[in-house]
Amino acid sequence: ELKVEQNPLFLSMQEGKNYTIYCNYSTTSDRLYWYRQDPGKSLESLFVLLSNGAVKQEGRLMASLDTKARLSTLHITAAVHDLSATYFCAVDMGSGNTPLVFGKGTRLSVIA
Amino acid sequence: SQTIHQWPATLVQPVGSPLSLECTVEGTSNPNLYWYRQAAGRGLQLLFYSVGIGQISSEVPQNLSASRPQDRQFILSSKKLLLSDSGFYLCAWSVSSMETQYFGPGTRLLVL
Repeated sequence: ELKVEQNPLFLSMQEGKNYTIYCNYSTTSDRLYWYRQDPGKSLESLFVLLSNGAVKQEGRLMASLDTKARLSTLHITAAVHDLSATYFCAVDMGSGNTPLVFGKGTRLSVIA
Repeated sequence: SQTIHQWPATLVQPVGSPLSLECTVEGTSNPNLYWYRQAAGRGLQLLFYSVGIGQISSEVPQNLSASRPQDRQFILSSKKLLLSDSGFYLCAWSVSSMETQYFGPGTRLLVL
């Protein structure tokens, strides 16, 4: 059974600081997805990482994938309040029609 | 382009009453469809997924059921709601099980 663990689950950071959210998974996979959920809203897709060493960046967020370590990171650079949200990673098990497995989410709060 | 709709947006129901939530997708054919529930401040719980008309896989045994009467329509139902059924219900679609899932706006259900 694939397990996906995110840490930290809660993160409070000051504006302007850098931080990294980690997503570990328990079985071989080379497809990983990051989503963002604003309070009271649905999920929106942020990044799709499809191979070992993949790196995607948008604004102050950068995601990377290390399939050998079974680890993805979401790095936040110079945080701003607008980044406050819950971030989920999701992993493909790679076995036919089995859906993606989601982590529990990291609730990020950026404070002044 | 593809769009996903859910209704109603908000619902307040008494314990023991029936439930029907609807999800429809436009702009694609034979999508994979998913129902998730999110309790307040919690992660995503996959309830059902479907890879085609009449094909439903249940992830969690409970008093909910799902049906897919048409290619792009996914319905979540209950004959008798419980207090524990309260939550934020999200429908999602994807091209295949390994691809990005795109989420609908959600239905917020409160059972009293």
